[in-house]
Amino acid sequence: DAKTTQPPSMDCAEGRAANLPCNHSTISGNEYVYWYRQIHSQGPQYIIHGLKNNETNEMASLIITEDRKSSTLILPHATLRDTAVYYCIVRVAFGSARQLTFGSGTQLTVLP
Amino acid sequence: GAGVSQTPSNKVTEKGKYVELRCDPISGHTALYWYRQSLGQGPEFLIYFQGTGAADDSGLPNDRFFAVRPEGSVSTLKIQRTERGDSAVYLCASSLYGTANTGELFFGEGSRLTVL
Repeated sequence: DAKTTQPPSMDCAEGRAANLPCNHSTISGNEYVYWYRQIHSQGPQYIIHGLKNNETNEMASLIITEDRKSSTLILPHATLRDTAVYYCIVRVAFGSARQLTFGSGTQLTVLP
Repeated sequence: GAGVSQTPSNKVTEKGKYVELRCDPISGHTALYWYRQSLGQGPEFLIYFQGTGAADDSGLPNDRFFAVRPEGSVSTLKIQRTERGDSAVYLCASSLYGTANTGELFFGEGSRLTVL
């Protein structure tokens, strides 16, 4: 699986949009971008994934650049409960049950 | 609840002892994963099962670690002759397999192991 690079930490004001970047310059054509988050003392939680089109669900939006070498996870209106470590992961999907490989992630702190 | 259940939530043991950690996946999920997470690090893959068989055990650090899933549901991670370096949170996750597998793994809350 391609490696990803994320900033170690970010702050965001409560109620503002949180934009978390991820670089994955060696991504292959059949690899998806996944985002998970891990709130303190809990297991990781799936947020969203995408291949090349932008994706949106009830939790977040995922913007993938046209060359697919980077992406941004957007939390449109961050709350204090969004404080967590956010992991960007690249992996082949659909029909593959292979494991996810986690990096160090970005510690997002939402400030009141 | 209907989520992944892990027991015990906390386990304190002495160096050299044997430990078993249990994972009860979401009903119907055929894939089951074990991860280990040390303080300040991301989860580290250990092993994953497809049904009853270990499809990939490349992450097990050494032969003191072993996992089973005899009936394709509940799994047990077994650690022999525990060492202080084994202290970590052990996470279990499950997922659907095949066309329904979107890569969404459902994680449990983890079992915190402390080796004194």
